[in-house]
Amino acid sequence: DIQMTQSPSTLSASVGDRVTITCRASQRISSWLAWYQQKPGKAPELLIYLASTLESGVPSRFSGSGSGTEFTLTISSLQPDDFATYYCQHYEDYSWTFGQGTKVEIK
Amino acid sequence: QVQVVESGGGVVQPGRSLRLSCAASTFTFSAYGMHWVRQAPGKGLEWVSLISYDGNNKYYADSVKGRFTISRDNSMNTLYLQMNSLRAEDTAVYYCAKVKYSGYEYYHGMDVWGQGTTVTVSS
Repeated sequence: DIQMTQSPSTLSASVGDRVTITCRASQRISSWLAWYQQKPGKAPELLIYLASTLESGVPSRFSGSGSGTEFTLTISSLQPDDFATYYCQHYEDYSWTFGQGTKVEIK
Repeated sequence: QVQVVESGGGVVQPGRSLRLSCAASTFTFSAYGMHWVRQAPGKGLEWVSLISYDGNNKYYADSVKGRFTISRDNSMNTLYLQMNSLRAEDTAVYYCAKVKYSGYEYYHGMDVWGQGTTVTVSS
C-alpha cells in the first residue's frame, strides 16, 4: 500500500508568512492528489485537486505543485482564516489514502 | 446550496450494529459516487468506503472490509453505511462526501462534505 507522509506535523507561522506543506508518497504516484483544509469541529474542505488545480471559490493564495513522490501545498501569504489542519489525499486503484495532517498554528 | 447531511450515529456496544444515513439535496445525487470517511477523536482522516453513482461498484478500506456495507437509494437521494461487528477502534466522526465529478471518475477529490455523525463504540 502507498503511504502518504506529510511534513511538518505542526507548523507555527505568522499572518503574512509564506507557508509550504509537503506530502511525500512511499512510491512514485500519479498526480491524482488533493489537498483539504479542516478547522476544529468542522468538515474538511477541498482546496486543490489533480495536484495543482484550485477548487472553485478557494483563494488564489493557495497553490499546489509536485509530481512523482513529492507534492507541496503553498499558502503565499498566510491569513487569519488559514489557521487550520491540512491533509493531502491520494487516489489509486480504488483506494483513497490521506496524509496524517499538518496543523498550522499561530506563532 | 449543495449539501449532504449525516445521521444515525450514537453509542453502541462492541459487537453490535449501527446504520448511518446521508441525505443529499440540491444536486443530482444519482449521478455521483459517494464516499464515507471517518475521523477518530484527535486523529486524522481515514477513507472508509466508496459506492459508484449507480450502486454497482463498492470499495472498502481493509479495516472495515467484511464488516461494513455501503449502499444507496437514488430514489430517496440517500446514502447508507451498515456497520456490523463494531469495535472500539471504529469510534469516530463519520462523514459522507460527494465525488467531485459525475460518472466513474474518482480522482478529482471530494468536494461536498456533511457535518458528520459521531459513532462511539463502548461497553
